Amino acid sequence: DIQMTQSPSTLSASVGDRVTITCRASQSISSWLAWYQQKPGKAPKLLIYKASSLESGVPSRFSGSGSGTEFTLTISSLQPDDFAIYYCQQYNDYPITFGQGTRLEIK
Amino acid sequence: QVQLQESGPGLVKPSETLSLTCTVSSDSISRFHWSWIRQSAGKGLEWIGRIFTSGSTKYNPSLKSRVTMSVDTSKNQFSLRLSSVTAADTAVYYCARDLGGGNYVSDYWGQGTLVTVSS
Repeated sequence: DIQMTQSPSTLSASVGDRVTITCRASQSISSWLAWYQQKPGKAPKLLIYKASSLESGVPSRFSGSGSGTEFTLTISSLQPDDFAIYYCQQYNDYPITFGQGTRLEIK
Repeated sequence: QVQLQESGPGLVKPSETLSLTCTVSSDSISRFHWSWIRQSAGKGLEWIGRIFTSGSTKYNPSLKSRVTMSVDTSKNQFSLRLSSVTAADTAVYYCARDLGGGNYVSDYWGQGTLVTVSS
């Protein structure tokens, strides 16, 4: 299985900050990477797919980059609604696997 | 707007079979691929499997011997069966729609249903 490792596990930031979350794959996954946002008691929400494609309806302050084994999710200016848990997911190979999550907290 | 709703027992006894159904509204189930994903405190998000428009399936090898997925196009539903469950199968189970276009990611999700395995 392809292992997905996110860093940091927890990130404390303030409204208006620019934040970056990193996801590393244990082997190359080309650009077959997605990012999700999850809030308590809710299903994950797709933000980014194919490493950098913004899902319809997702604010443009979210962006993704990377290829191969290293990827980043950037939020350009944090808004109150952005405090949540973020997961990466690879879909280059079966089984599809997720990172362990990054909790974005209010500083 | 597509809506997905999971249904099934919230409590299953060890060694029995977990059965869940996902009802899809506002879209034809025949147009997309569909997935089941679960989330537990211990293992985070775990992909269970996918059923394609062709009816073929792909399962997580860690669960493959116990998983069966199927589609009922007449009811616009798809289903999950997981046999011989143990406490480790306790999780919130989500059904989800694949984005399509070669992107095997999930753009619409059900709200999730908690299944507890306990006697």
